[in-house]
Amino acid sequence: KNEVEQSPQNLTAQEGEFITINCSYSVGISALHWLQQHPGGGIVSLFMLSSGKKKHGRLIATINIQEKHSSLHITASHPRDSAVYICAVIGGNQFYFGTGTSLTVIP
Amino acid sequence: DTAVSQTPKYLVTQMGNDKSIKCEQNLGHDTMYWYKQDSKKFLKIMFSYNNKELIINETVPNRFSPKSPDKAHLNLHINSLELGDSAVYFCASTVINTGELFFGEGSRLTVL
Repeated sequence: KNEVEQSPQNLTAQEGEFITINCSYSVGISALHWLQQHPGGGIVSLFMLSSGKKKHGRLIATINIQEKHSSLHITASHPRDSAVYICAVIGGNQFYFGTGTSLTVIP
Repeated sequence: DTAVSQTPKYLVTQMGNDKSIKCEQNLGHDTMYWYKQDSKKFLKIMFSYNNKELIINETVPNRFSPKSPDKAHLNLHINSLELGDSAVYFCASTVINTGELFFGEGSRLTVL
């Protein structure tokens, strides 16, 4: 069983919809990252969280340390948001990755 | 200037060869990583260097060895390449404990 589980694995949405991607983890962590990988292959770090909530533009990330759960929300989704979103946690000195959520936003 | 740069971006080679992938960051970060992304797009950390000391070493084959000549560089050497080594390798850097990871563009290795 993977230490980091993401859901859903695949997601298709209409432009403008509110999107939520979930991440659950089973290890104690010092930080959680949300990453975005576009079809071209490049990876961009969206957020690093150790508690609470962060917002950047239309993206919001939350984390509940007690429940070992994080969510990534996209408001007013746009086709350019189409990408794979990856949750990664740092526990001890170990890095654990989710398998990613492939998001497609249709115009 | 690119914050984290990797070379080469593409590498095609024969089984049994030895190859290197270079990574440089100009961000002044103190921690650099190598990740492998396999054909199923699953990312796995391979190595981490903090101030020239290895702090994470996942169970990768000892054919893989990281070399850090200075804080701005973390190169990946691979000996006796095997078919299963074909993947995209990403370098990244960060200031440890403060956050944001900066990734290189990836180096696609194909072993024939």
